[in-house]
Amino acid sequence: GQSLEQPSEVTAVEGAIVQINCTYQTSGFYGLSWYQQHDGGAPTFLSYNALDGLEETGRFSSFLSRSDSYGYLLLQELQMKDSASYFCAVRMDSSYKLIFGSGTRLLVRP
Amino acid sequence: GAVVSQHPSRVICKSGTSVKIECRSLDFQATTMFWYRQFPKQSLMLMATSNEGSKATYEQGVEKDKFLINHASLTLSTLTVTSAHPEDSSFYICSASARGDYNEQFFGPGTRLTVL
Repeated sequence: GQSLEQPSEVTAVEGAIVQINCTYQTSGFYGLSWYQQHDGGAPTFLSYNALDGLEETGRFSSFLSRSDSYGYLLLQELQMKDSASYFCAVRMDSSYKLIFGSGTRLLVRP
Repeated sequence: GAVVSQHPSRVICKSGTSVKIECRSLDFQATTMFWYRQFPKQSLMLMATSNEGSKATYEQGVEKDKFLINHASLTLSTLTVTSAHPEDSSFYICSASARGDYNEQFFGPGTRLTVL
């Protein structure tokens, strides 16, 4: 079966940096994506890593190590609006099929 | 660009009825559409992959006769929950992938189904 593991909850203060880890075991792997979802809303795309290394997009960065089946999402200069659930997702094949992790609820405190 | 809509956003129905949910890509042609369900505070569980003009591919454990998927065009896919029961109450979300070198799926806003 497919397995993606993330911490269930993370709490941080406004302005801080937080890292959300994801380890995966899947039968196929094209790349690792990260999505943000606010309560009751649709998931929105944050980043995609197909190759090892760090990808930076504004306050968010994402890292992948294929040899370790591991990745993380780094959020800097946290803002209250960053309170949401964050999902890692493995793109399984060329069809864009995604398998989602269990999700990490991030709570940003003042 | 890359907007996906879903209709209805919320539906309440009686047990035993069937409910149809539409998923449309508004400004692009979707090569593939995906259907997920999500229980409160849980992950998105992929139900099926839908390609235009062909039968949907269902994930293990998803009843294809209960969750009927039709992908009639490159911009429309429908999910019909047949003979709905209270345990089918959930948040149903569709997504679409576009032609070209995109690395993301574009998600619809979701449909909240409540079966009484």
